[in-house]
Amino acid sequence: ELKVEQNPLFLSMQEGKNYTIYCNYSTTSDRLYWYRQDPGKSLESLFVLLSNGAVKQEGRLMASLDTKARLSTLHITAAVHDLSATYFCAFGSGGSYIPTFGRGTSLIVHP
Amino acid sequence: DTGVSQDPRHKITKRGQNVTFRCDPISEHNRLYWYRQTLGQGPEFLTYFQNEAQLEKSRLLSDRFSAERPKGSFSTLEIQRTEQGDSAMYLCASRRPWGTQYFGPGTRLTVL
Repeated sequence: ELKVEQNPLFLSMQEGKNYTIYCNYSTTSDRLYWYRQDPGKSLESLFVLLSNGAVKQEGRLMASLDTKARLSTLHITAAVHDLSATYFCAFGSGGSYIPTFGRGTSLIVHP
Repeated sequence: DTGVSQDPRHKITKRGQNVTFRCDPISEHNRLYWYRQTLGQGPEFLTYFQNEAQLEKSRLLSDRFSAERPKGSFSTLEIQRTEQGDSAMYLCASRRPWGTQYFGPGTRLTVL
């Protein structure tokens, strides 16, 4: 069975702090996705990681991939309120790399 | 580039009725996906098209669900004999080969 486990599922943090969201997946995959979803809205693609050791950064978010450990991380640096959202990781499987999603991490950043 | 659009945005129906949703992908995107999302969960894959060909379909997908993409452009998802458990947000996404996946705003289905 294909599984994705994210932790934590809920994260409340203060502005200015750093934190990491972890994503473990159950099968070999060379494609890992991170998405953001605001309440009541659809998903926005943040990163696509294509190989072991891949690292991508956009603003205060940095994503990395370790395919040997089947682990991806999303690191938040100096959080701001605008980052409050739910963050999903998904790994791509099969020839079509169809994403299998985790349950998401609900992030709230307090002033 | 007008983005992925879905219609309707909301649908309320009675149990046992049939419903059909439409997705218009970004025009040059040949890959199209349907997902279902319930509260507190990540999107669950339903089916995938490359051009007009339906290449993958979730094993979890009931026979009551069918999807088409007749000319490789827009797609429809039909649910027959709806059940209360079908209540969810139905999301469509599209992308180019090797491109970023773009999601539509979703259709929220409520089955009474």
